[in-house]
Amino acid sequence: KQEVTQIPAALSVPEGENLVLNCSFTDSAIYNLQWFRQDPGKGLTSLLLIQSSQREQTSGRLNASLDKSSGRSTLYIAASQPGDSATYLCAVNQAGTALIFGKGTTLSVSS
Amino acid sequence: GAGVSQSPSNKVTEKGKDVELRCDPISGHTALYWYRQSLGQGLEFLIYFQGNSAPDKSGLPSDRFSAERTGGSVSTLTIQRTQQEDSAVYLCASSSSPGSTWDTQYFGPGTRLTVL
Repeated sequence: KQEVTQIPAALSVPEGENLVLNCSFTDSAIYNLQWFRQDPGKGLTSLLLIQSSQREQTSGRLNASLDKSSGRSTLYIAASQPGDSATYLCAVNQAGTALIFGKGTTLSVSS
Repeated sequence: GAGVSQSPSNKVTEKGKDVELRCDPISGHTALYWYRQSLGQGLEFLIYFQGNSAPDKSGLPSDRFSAERTGGSVSTLTIQRTQQEDSAVYLCASSSSPGSTWDTQYFGPGTRLTVL
């Protein structure tokens, strides 16, 4: 059974720092991996999707990598800003249907 | 264009009552998913609709939960005889290319259900 783990559960950094969020999964047979952002009381916003054949994707200050063989993905946020404060969720699509989520990393960026 | 919409945004009900939650997916998206996010728990899959195929109900926690999708568009999740443990945020998502490696799921804002 696929399990997705995110470390750390919470992270506090000062504005301007570069940071890395980690996601690991137990079964490497995946279609893709998505990173989402969730603001308090809100739904999920898709940040990046990495297909199983890809190694990384970039969008602005965000860069996500995927190492399928080791079951790991990282989300790199450059030059963090207070507006980046949110919960970041990692999810794998294993069967082309439902996503399996980690429990998220709650990020707080102080000014 | 419009994203995924859900209604109501908040629902408070008494234990034992039935509730209906609605999801309106992005126009043209053939796949629709329901997930549940409970306090302290991660997001868990409930049910998946794809076109005219039989839905994948493997995530439904009990037979009190059911869902339908009419005309390949709007979906309703029904919870009968609600229990306090049903309190959660119910999220709906839709996508256009299920089964492909590039398929992205887009989520609605959710319905927060509180069972007293």
